[in-house]
Amino acid sequence: EVQLVESGGGLVQPGKSLRLSCSASGFTFQNYAIHWVRQPPGKGLEWVAGISWNATHSAHADSVRGRFIISRDNTKNTLYLQMNGLTPEDTALYYCAKDVSPSSYYFDYWGQGALVTVSS
Amino acid sequence: QSVLTQPPSVSGAPGQTVIISCSGSSSNIGAGFHVHWYRQLPGTTPKLLVYGDKSRPSGVPDRFSASKSGTSASLAITGLQTEDEADYYCQSFDSSLSGVVFGGGTRLTVL
Repeated sequence: EVQLVESGGGLVQPGKSLRLSCSASGFTFQNYAIHWVRQPPGKGLEWVAGISWNATHSAHADSVRGRFIISRDNTKNTLYLQMNGLTPEDTALYYCAKDVSPSSYYFDYWGQGALVTVSS
Repeated sequence: QSVLTQPPSVSGAPGQTVIISCSGSSSNIGAGFHVHWYRQLPGTTPKLLVYGDKSRPSGVPDRFSASKSGTSASLAITGLQTEDEADYYCQSFDSSLSGVVFGGGTRLTVL
C-alpha cells in the first residue's frame, strides 16, 4: 500500500524558516517524481514544487521560487521542502503527491498533509 | 487568480448531468498538454478522477467522462448522486511557467 506521510508543519513567525518532510513507503520511491502541493484554508490547490526521480531536475512555482527548495533522499525514501522567508500567504496544508511516473506531472497518491501556519 | 479557469460552483439534482468546464490558454491546454481531473470530498485529500484528458483510473465509474478541445476541457458527471458533492479540480502543465497548474476548483452541489 502506497503511503505518504508528511511531517514538520507547525506555527511559525513571518520571516522564519521551516522544513517539511514526506516519508514514502509501499512503492519504489526512486522511480518516481514527487511534488509538493498546498491548499490554503478554504481555498483551492496550488502546485508548489516538483523533483525528478533522480533529483537532477526540480521546478518551483513562481510564488515560492527563491524562498523554497525541494529536495529528496532516495536512500531514505524521503522528500523535503525547505521553506525560508515565510509569509502569512504561505499558510496552507502542504501535501506530498506522488507522480504517476518519472515525469508525468500528475498525481496518483497524496499524503494527508502538513499544516503550516505563518503568523506573529 | 488560477491559470486554469473553472466555474466556482455548479449544481444539479440527483440523476441529472452536470458539466464542469476548464479554460486554459495556448501555453497549457492549447499547447497539447494533458488535462487531469481530481475530486476532493469534504475533509479528504484529492483523488485522481480522470487522467490524460479522458482516461479513468480503475475504480472510477463511467458516470465520469472528460474531453478536451482547443484551449478548454470539460468534465461531465451523469446520473448525479448525493455522494458526488465535492470540489473538482482540473490540472495541466504550463510551458510558460514551466510547472503544474490547477484550476481554481468547482464545488458541486447535488440539490
